[in-house]
Amino acid sequence: RKEVEQDPGPFNVPEGATVAFNCTYSNSASQSFFWYRQDCRKEPKLLMSVYSSGNEDGRFTAQLNRASQYISLLIRDSKLSDSATYLCVATGLVDSGGYNKLIFGAGTRLAVHP
Amino acid sequence: NAGVTQTPKFRVLKTGQSMTLLCAQDMNHEYMYWYRQDPGMGLRLIHYSVGEGTTAKGEVPDGYNVSRLKKQNFLLGLESAAPSQTSVYFCASSLSSMNTEAFFGQGTRLTVV
Repeated sequence: RKEVEQDPGPFNVPEGATVAFNCTYSNSASQSFFWYRQDCRKEPKLLMSVYSSGNEDGRFTAQLNRASQYISLLIRDSKLSDSATYLCVATGLVDSGGYNKLIFGAGTRLAVHP
Repeated sequence: NAGVTQTPKFRVLKTGQSMTLLCAQDMNHEYMYWYRQDPGMGLRLIHYSVGEGTTAKGEVPDGYNVSRLKKQNFLLGLESAAPSQTSVYFCASSLSSMNTEAFFGQGTRLTVV
């Protein structure tokens, strides 16, 4: 089982729609979580961090549910420019050597159409 | 402000050839990572380093070696390239692995024929 799992999509939505992505993580020891955005043929870039209390940045809202081990990203009023792949990230995953790791999900593709 | 720089950006190798991918960061970050990204597989961690002189295996380390002789550089080596190593390789760095943003290089597109 992958340590971080996401629905690959694609999610095809019209402009103005609200869309939600979920991500689950398998290691209950994970401590920090992020959402990254990756445009086609580009490198991933940080979209937002995910806090236990939930956090909002404009049209984007991230939530963390530690009991169920999932995080979510809600995008309201979708724009054409939101079309991208959204990657879920968990950190603080300690491996057998005692090191922390940064693990990415496979990503969820979003296509916003006019 | 360079951030994370990867070289080369593109490369075509013949099966059995070797090469080294270089990653350099100028942010004084402790952690550095090498990922490969394949269609439908997402980013998979190859190797990573938590500081100068240290390396650790990720999810898919076989066929790759790494070195972190200087804090700012993290090298990924392919000793004998195979077609299965055709991929896009991303290097990333972060201040730590906890509560901090990871910054990525622009990627290296490697084709092994």
